[in-house]
Amino acid sequence: TQLLEQSPQFLSIQEGENLTVYCNSSSVFSSLQWYRQEPGEGPVLLVTVVTGGEVKKLKRLTFQFGDARKDSSLHITAAQPGDTGLYLCAVDTGRRALTFGSGTRLQVQP
Amino acid sequence: NAGVTQTPKFQVLKTGQSMTLQCAQDMNHNSMYWYRQDPGMGLRLIYYSASEGTTDKGEVPNGYNVSRLNKREFSLRLESAAPSQTSVYFCASSVGLAGGGETQYFGPGTRLLVL
Repeated sequence: TQLLEQSPQFLSIQEGENLTVYCNSSSVFSSLQWYRQEPGEGPVLLVTVVTGGEVKKLKRLTFQFGDARKDSSLHITAAQPGDTGLYLCAVDTGRRALTFGSGTRLQVQP
Repeated sequence: NAGVTQTPKFQVLKTGQSMTLQCAQDMNHNSMYWYRQDPGMGLRLIYYSASEGTTDKGEVPNGYNVSRLNKREFSLRLESAAPSQTSVYFCASSVGLAGGGETQYFGPGTRLLVL
């Protein structure tokens, strides 16, 4: 069983649609990060959430940290082809490095 | 600034061969990391270095060794490559160790195929 479960694993949508992806765990975390990875490149940090219930917005992307700090969601409004990529959540488990989920692979068709 | 650079970009090895993956960062970061990424498994930590002169094992260290050559450079060595080590390898760096939302900056990756 993985520490972080991300769903769905794959998502293919049309440009302009809305979507939500999830990162769930049974453990409590002090903070959670979302990264986006484009094909052939390394992950790039999108946002860090640290407070239960926190909501952060990055243009058309809305990130929420669960009240109990066990889960998080990423909502994309009016998806664009440029949003295509692998979305990874990651947490610090106190072992001095990040633990990543397996990711949601998003494909936005023009 | 180049950020985090990795060489080579691609490599094909035969079982039993050895090789060293190179990583360098120009952001004056203290901490550096090596991850491997396999389909459906996200990124898994192989080794990390909290600061120059120190290294520690991560989740999947078997079959690998590392050297923190100086503050800028952190290399990963496969002494006797095995097909199970076929993967994409990422180096990353951060100002300090994970915790409190420390940002990690990743290199472009090295794609390794072991036949």
